[in-house]
Amino acid sequence: GAVVSQHPSWVICKSGTSVKIECRSLDFQATTMFWYRQFPKQSLMLMATSNEGSKATYEQGVEKDKFLINHASLTLSTLTVTSAHPEDSSFYICSAREKHRAGQPQHFGDGTRLSIL
Amino acid sequence: RKEVEQDPGPFNVPEGATVAFNCTYSNSASQSFFWYRQDCRKEPKLLMSVYSSGNEDGRFTAQLNRASQYISLLIRDSKLSDSATYLCVVSDYNQGGKLIFGQGTELSVKP
Repeated sequence: GAVVSQHPSWVICKSGTSVKIECRSLDFQATTMFWYRQFPKQSLMLMATSNEGSKATYEQGVEKDKFLINHASLTLSTLTVTSAHPEDSSFYICSAREKHRAGQPQHFGDGTRLSIL
Repeated sequence: RKEVEQDPGPFNVPEGATVAFNCTYSNSASQSFFWYRQDCRKEPKLLMSVYSSGNEDGRFTAQLNRASQYISLLIRDSKLSDSATYLCVVSDYNQGGKLIFGQGTELSVKP
């Protein structure tokens, strides 16, 4: 089945560091990728929708200058958390949707657990 | 009001029990409906899509009532391995197909 790879799976770094997370679709073309964040005991919250070759669409309340998204190819989207602070510590998960399959389930990456000290 | 609301849980049931999860959604234009399962500290995994006619996959049965904007999931003969958080998920093509997640209902199946 379709697989989405997310890297790294765990990051611990100092406050002020920028962290890049990669999301790759391994066996399909993903024109759209989604980035979610999940705090403990809460549900997944969509941060932004990433479309290949165009600017990402951010959800209300998500700072686009802090969470930089690049979707340069049909198989790779990256999320960079710039100047991360402890409140950015969370579980970040990407998902990808196959081309021309808007109504179908999305495939999720394994998630990245980010801890900012 | 949240776009997708689920039973708050947690549900603690013995092995072999039948358990039902309920979910309501607010966007009447939603077209796709899913149940996902999420284990602790892991990514969500698709359990099943939900269709208007209702659908069954082994011990799992999903129902959708568009008129009342209600989705359900029934688990029969629950196993220890069913312990997880169950997420009700709704999607609307008009919103780019993004998934809207409920807050999840935690299930704990005990021996």
